[in-house]
Amino acid sequence: LAKTTQPISMDSYEGQEVNITCSHNNIATNDYITWYQQFPSQGPRFIIQGYKTKVTNEVASLFIPADRKSSTLSLPRVSLSDTAVYYCLRLDTGRRALTFGSGTRLQVQP
Amino acid sequence: DAGVIQSPRHEVTEMGQEVTLRCKPISGHDYLFWYRQTMMRGLELLIYFNNNVPIDDSGMPEDRFSAKMPNASFSTLKIQPSEPRDSAVYFCASSSTGDYTEAFFGQGTRLTVV
Repeated sequence: LAKTTQPISMDSYEGQEVNITCSHNNIATNDYITWYQQFPSQGPRFIIQGYKTKVTNEVASLFIPADRKSSTLSLPRVSLSDTAVYYCLRLDTGRRALTFGSGTRLQVQP
Repeated sequence: DAGVIQSPRHEVTEMGQEVTLRCKPISGHDYLFWYRQTMMRGLELLIYFNNNVPIDDSGMPEDRFSAKMPNASFSTLKIQPSEPRDSAVYFCASSSTGDYTEAFFGQGTRLTVV
C-alpha cells in the first residue's frame, strides 16, 4: 500500500514554529494528503488535509508543492500540549481506509 | 454526538480465553474501521466495513480474529482463543462517505493477555 516517509522524531521549544516534512514520491492522482495527531493513551485525531498548494486551519498549515511528492505540516508557536506523534498519510479516495506509518514523535520543551 | 465509543477500556484475560471488543460508531457514519496498535508494529488496519459489509479484512492476523457489524450502530472484534502476542491497544474509528478524510477514533481498548 501507499507509503510515506517522515522523520522519526523532532524536538522543539515552546513558541517556536515546527515544520514536519513528509515524502510521498509515488503519490497517485487520486490521493489526498492527510495528517493526524496522537497523544499518549488516545486515538489519532485529524489535523488537516490537502491535495496541493496550501491549506490552513486553526491548528496548522499544510504545504504541498506542485509535484505533490512531499508535503510539510507547519505548527505555529507550539506549546507543551503539542507534544504528540504526528502521522502523514496518503488517502486513497477509492479504498478509503487510512494506512498509518511510524509517524514523527514531536517533543516540545519549555 | 458522544463520538466513537469503545468498551471495555481495559481488558485483562488469560491465554486461551475468548475476548470481545465492542464499538459504537458515530451516528450516521457508514464506514467503520478496526485498528491495532503496538510499539513494535505501530497502527495496523485490521478490517473495515462500509454500510455494515466487510470490505477489506486482509489485515486480520489469523483465523482467531473475527469482526462483525450486525447493524449500523454496533460492531465487535472477537479473538478466540487469545494469545499473549495479541496484547495491544485496539482502536475503532468511523467516518462518513461525505467526508472521506476525517476518521474519528475511539479511546481504544487496552488488551492484555497473560
